[in-house]
Amino acid sequence: DIVMTQIPLSSVVTLGQPASISCRSSQSLVHSDGTTYLSWLQQRPGQPPRLLIYKVSNRFSGVPDRFSGSGAGTDFTLKISRVEAEDVGVYYCTQTTQLPYTFGQGTKLEIK
Amino acid sequence: EVQLVESGGGLVQPGGSLRLSCAASGFIFSNYDMNWVRQAPGKGLEWVSEVSGSGGTTYYADSVKGRFTISRDNSKNTLYLQMNSLRAEDTAVYFCATGPTNWGQGTLVTVSS
Repeated sequence: DIVMTQIPLSSVVTLGQPASISCRSSQSLVHSDGTTYLSWLQQRPGQPPRLLIYKVSNRFSGVPDRFSGSGAGTDFTLKISRVEAEDVGVYYCTQTTQLPYTFGQGTKLEIK
Repeated sequence: EVQLVESGGGLVQPGGSLRLSCAASGFIFSNYDMNWVRQAPGKGLEWVSEVSGSGGTTYYADSVKGRFTISRDNSKNTLYLQMNSLRAEDTAVYFCATGPTNWGQGTLVTVSS
């Protein structure tokens, strides 16, 4: 199974400041079709997960442009350019390149 | 608008069975592989199972293989998860999802005596 490791597991950020979450996979996430199926999810308290970023760097419909994704191979990053109060929650990276699909442990983002 | 609505959760004793349903709307259901993902209380996300659009191919996490069965009825736009031989560690909110893209609100399954 592909292990997804997120750093940090917890982050406290001042409103308006940037935030960054790293995700590393135990093996390359490049599919045989050439696509890297790495996504980022946001889960606000009491809510289901919500897709933010798919295929490493593509923002999903309705996602603010302060969210961006980057990376390749086994190393990926989610960045929030200026954190807002509504960004509080847990962020997960997930790979759907290979079954079983796996998730990072989650990074809890809090606002200072 | 894509909508996924799960139902069927509840309290069940260890060793018991439960069937979850997920009613889908707003997209061509039969065109999409469908997944069940669960989240134990206060924990992270765990992929459980996937079924192909036709229903002909299924995959399971090792933790549920042989106990859970995923299926779908494309004429009813509904996804199912039959859960047998339930254990305390199966206690979780179960989400249906179209891959990482669209998620339901989830249904809580509690396995306890």
